[in-house]
Order: sequence, then C-alpha cells, then structure tokens
Amino acid sequence: AQSVTQLGSHVSVSEGALVLLRCNYSSSVPPYLFWYVQYPNQGLQLLLKYTTGATLVKGINGFEAEFKKSETSFHLTKPSAHMSDAAEYFCAVSDDSSYKLIFGSGTRLLVRP
Amino acid sequence: GAGVSQSPSNKVTEKGKDVELRCDPISGHTALYWYRQRLGQGLEFLIYFQGNSAPDKSGLPSDRFSAERTGESVSTLTIQRTQQEDSAVYLCASSLKDRGPYEQYFGPGTRLTVT
Repeated sequence: AQSVTQLGSHVSVSEGALVLLRCNYSSSVPPYLFWYVQYPNQGLQLLLKYTTGATLVKGINGFEAEFKKSETSFHLTKPSAHMSDAAEYFCAVSDDSSYKLIFGSGTRLLVRP
Repeated sequence: GAGVSQSPSNKVTEKGKDVELRCDPISGHTALYWYRQRLGQGLEFLIYFQGNSAPDKSGLPSDRFSAERTGESVSTLTIQRTQQEDSAVYLCASSLKDRGPYEQYFGPGTRLTVT
C-alpha cells in the first residue's frame, strides 16, 4: 500500500529565506508524485508533479522538487519565500495501477515579514 | 475554460438533517472524485466515478453517505441524518483520465458545518 509522510505540520520561515517542505513516500511500484497548494478558502492547485525522466521538477511560483528514489523523498523547495507563499501544502502519490491520490496530512507554511 | 465548480460553498445544517452537495466537473473529464478534509487534516478519499463503470465507494465512511453521477457530468454527494463528525470541507476533483500521472483538478469545496 502506498503512503505519504509530511514531516512538520507547520513550517515558519522569514520572507526571503529558503523554503523546504519534506515529503517521504512508500510505494512498491514506480510512483507518480505531486505537490498541491491550498490557499485559504480555496481548492487545491497543482504546484508540480513528477512522472518520469528528469528527477528535478520545476513548478509554478518558483517552487521545485527533487525525486530521490534511494531516499523515497520528494521534498519541495523555493530559494526565497514570499509572503504570498503562505498556504497549506500537500504531497501526494499515485501510480499506474491506481486511480487514487494518496495525500499526506499537509504542511502549513507561515511566512514572517 | 471553466474549472470544477461546487455548490453550495458553505452549508450549515442541524444534526439529523440530510444534505446534498453538488459538483460540476470540467467538461470532458471522465473521472470524478470526492474527498473529505477535516480541520487540520489531509484529504480523505470518499468515492470515485469513471464513465459508466461501477463507482468505487470504498472510502465512504458509513451508509449515511451516498453519491451519484449522471453520465460524465454532475455529481451529487448526499449525507443523510448528519452528525457533528460530518463537519468538514468536501472537495470534488475531476481528471481527464483516471490513472497514473493525470492531474486531478479540484473545486473550491463545500464547507459543511453540522450544529
């Protein structure tokens, strides 16, 4: 069975600082990995996804994530946080055999001025 | 084009009442999903529809929950005899295809409060 673990329910950074949100997954088959963002009172929006090929994936708003098979990780980073990045971020996994997205419990990013 | 829409955006109901939540998927998307998001928690899969296939209801928490979908269009999620633990945001998503790397597009959700 697949699962996703997001370390840290809350992460606080200063504006301009590096953002690092951690995601580890378990999957017995090659996974597809996703990061979604949820702004207050809005639905989830896809930030980026890994399917195959290049392990460093670039997404919207300056975010990127690197698929590391040996570490079963897909951490999300952004070099310089902006106030508008404050939101909840969800990591999710799926594969070719399943239509379900399995989500982590989410990480709320707080950006301090 | 238009995204996934849901209605109502907010619903407050008394314990024991029935509620009906509506989802309009993106046109042409064959797969439709319902999720529940309780306060401070991740998304919990409820039910999945794909074309004319039998839906996967494995995530429905009790027999008070049911859902229908008309063809490849509108879906309704019904909760009968609501309980306080049903309070949550109910999210609908649709995707072009149902497996692998296909992105799920989410609606804004319906926030249900059971008093």
